[in-house]
Formats: sequence, C-alpha cells, structure tokens
Amino acid sequence: NAGVMQNPRHLVRRRGQEARLRCSPMKGHSHVYWYRQLPEEGLKFMVYLQKENIIDESGMPKERFSAEFPKEGPSILRIQQVVRGDSAAYFCASSPPQGTQYFGPGTRLLVL
Amino acid sequence: AQTVTQSQPEMSVQEAETVTLSCTYDTSENNYYLFWYKQPPSRQMILVIRQEAYKQQNATENRFSVNFQKAAKSFSLKISDSQLGDTAMYFCAVHIIQGAQKLVFGQGTRLTINP
Repeated sequence: NAGVMQNPRHLVRRRGQEARLRCSPMKGHSHVYWYRQLPEEGLKFMVYLQKENIIDESGMPKERFSAEFPKEGPSILRIQQVVRGDSAAYFCASSPPQGTQYFGPGTRLLVL
Repeated sequence: AQTVTQSQPEMSVQEAETVTLSCTYDTSENNYYLFWYKQPPSRQMILVIRQEAYKQQNATENRFSVNFQKAAKSFSLKISDSQLGDTAMYFCAVHIIQGAQKLVFGQGTRLTINP
C-alpha cells in the first residue's frame, strides 16, 4: 500500500510566479490536510479537505493561497504570485474519517 | 483553541541511554488523540506513537512509550535503549476528535544520540 505521495519534492520559483503542489492520499483515505513548516519551526495547519469540499481553511492566508481536492486526481495547493516568505516545506497528510494522519515526504519550496 | 508546548528545544544523550521528551498541552475538549511524530534529517514526518485520551493505559511501541497524565495535560515520550537512528526532531501534537480535524503541533525537540 503506497503511502502519501507528494510532488514535486523540490520546487524553485521566482517572485511573482505560481507554485502548484500536488498530493495523492493513501489508498482508502478520503481526508487530506495541508501543513506548512517554516525553518526551525513546527508544522502549522493550513487547510482540511474532503473530495470536492473544503472543510476547514482557517489556517490559509487570505490571499494568494488556494486548495482543492477534486473528485478525480490529487489534491492541489496553489500559491499565486509567490514571495520570499512563502519559502517553506509544505506537507500533505491523509487519513480515514477521524483517523490518524499519515504524512507525505513534503515539498520544499524555494522562492528566489 | 489548542496549544502544545515542548519546553526542551534540544537534548543530547549517549547511545543506549534512556531519554524523556516533555510535552504539555492545553485544550477544553475531552475527546482527543495525542501523537508523537519524528522528523529525521530527511524531513519526512514519521508517526512514532499515538494515545487516545479516554484510555488510562499508556501507549507503548517497542522502545517508545508515553507517560500520559490527563489531569496535568502532560504527554511525555520515553525512548529506551536509544539508537543513533533516533536522532531527529520530535514533535508532540494534539488532535481533537470532534470538530476541527487539524493537528496542533509543538515547536519540537531536537534530539541527538551520540555514539
């Protein structure tokens, strides 16, 4: 059973470009979560999604950030017009309903 | 809102020693899970151990065990017979079962196992 998959593992963008991060949950998991980890800090919750629904986006910045989990395909975290402060590791986790969250390997975003 | 505090930014022990990492949390909820995750230099987040708040018995996974004190809102991790591969950042986290499903993490403890 494959674990949570994230791609790309590393992403470099220049200021003003768009970043798209993808996450495929573990087989049988219908819940996806995105977290951000700044250097030397713990993970901070961003958004919680189920298929075609955003359940909780209380941790998402109000502008430039969006997330989706379509009926088919991976979950996408999209950052428009990236700035240097967006440089971080972005982790996706998946779980069954109210179950333990298992994490993907993360995407390291570097904004030049 | 929930908060998690790990008061030890760094710890260092010799191989084969036992080490305990501290974690305290604050929540007004009664039903929740507690977790310890490990983040080695590869940066992968690896589940170490899980504790259900309604269970009085402390969780154990091989060399890893917890001391869960619900009244004190304390959830420490004990690593016995420490190994070089245990070197990592360790994060404590709380997950409220009803309502918000997010994990709330502490700031982490950097653990180094010395040969």
